[in-house]
Amino acid sequence: AQKVTQAQTEISVVEKEDVTLDCVYETRDTTYYLFWYKQPPSGELVFLIRRNSFDEQNEISGRYSWNFQKSTSSFNFTITASQVVDSAVYFCALSEAREEVDSNYQLIWGAGTKLIIKP
Amino acid sequence: NAGVTQTPKFRVLKTGQSMTLLCAQDMNHEYMYWYRQDPGMGLRLIHYSVGEGTTAKGEVPDGYNVSRLKKQNFLLGLESAAPSQTSVYFCASSPRTPRNYGYTFGSGTRLTVV
Repeated sequence: AQKVTQAQTEISVVEKEDVTLDCVYETRDTTYYLFWYKQPPSGELVFLIRRNSFDEQNEISGRYSWNFQKSTSSFNFTITASQVVDSAVYFCALSEAREEVDSNYQLIWGAGTKLIIKP
Repeated sequence: NAGVTQTPKFRVLKTGQSMTLLCAQDMNHEYMYWYRQDPGMGLRLIHYSVGEGTTAKGEVPDGYNVSRLKKQNFLLGLESAAPSQTSVYFCASSPRTPRNYGYTFGSGTRLTVV
């Protein structure tokens, strides 16, 4: 069965430190998609990145980077030189691509990691 | 650019009362979803719709009903609220399957059932 595990419930770092949020997934499929979302204290959910299982290149977007490793079923998220505005709950999610109807419409979510950046 | 709008933002219900949550999107998205978010459990899909006039059950549909009479609106109903339905409810939409496009979320509705 598909599953997403974010083992870090809460992380607290001082501003300007680098921080990595872990995401481990389980799936039977060879084709699947992984996502990261950010939920700041205001409560909305903001899409950060989508990655398909055939693309193992690391992605960098400003201070954000993502490391996808199929060998360890992980899709980790690193924030470099963290800032107070990065404080949020971060969710990792998985979508499979099998033909069964239900799986086409649902993202499987991790429980989230609360990131606290102290000034 | 409104995106996905949820109303109300907050609501307190007594056990047994009913209510409807409204979700409206102005992006002409085909697919719409209702999720609930509980502490330590991530998001769980309640119901979803792949087009006007269609609805389907998600992971936790019991105690909820939905309707999609117009493409831009997706309503979530609680017929007889229970304390277990205390949660934050999120509506989302996507132009096609979420694996290709991800979701656009509303700002959430915080519901407390006492």
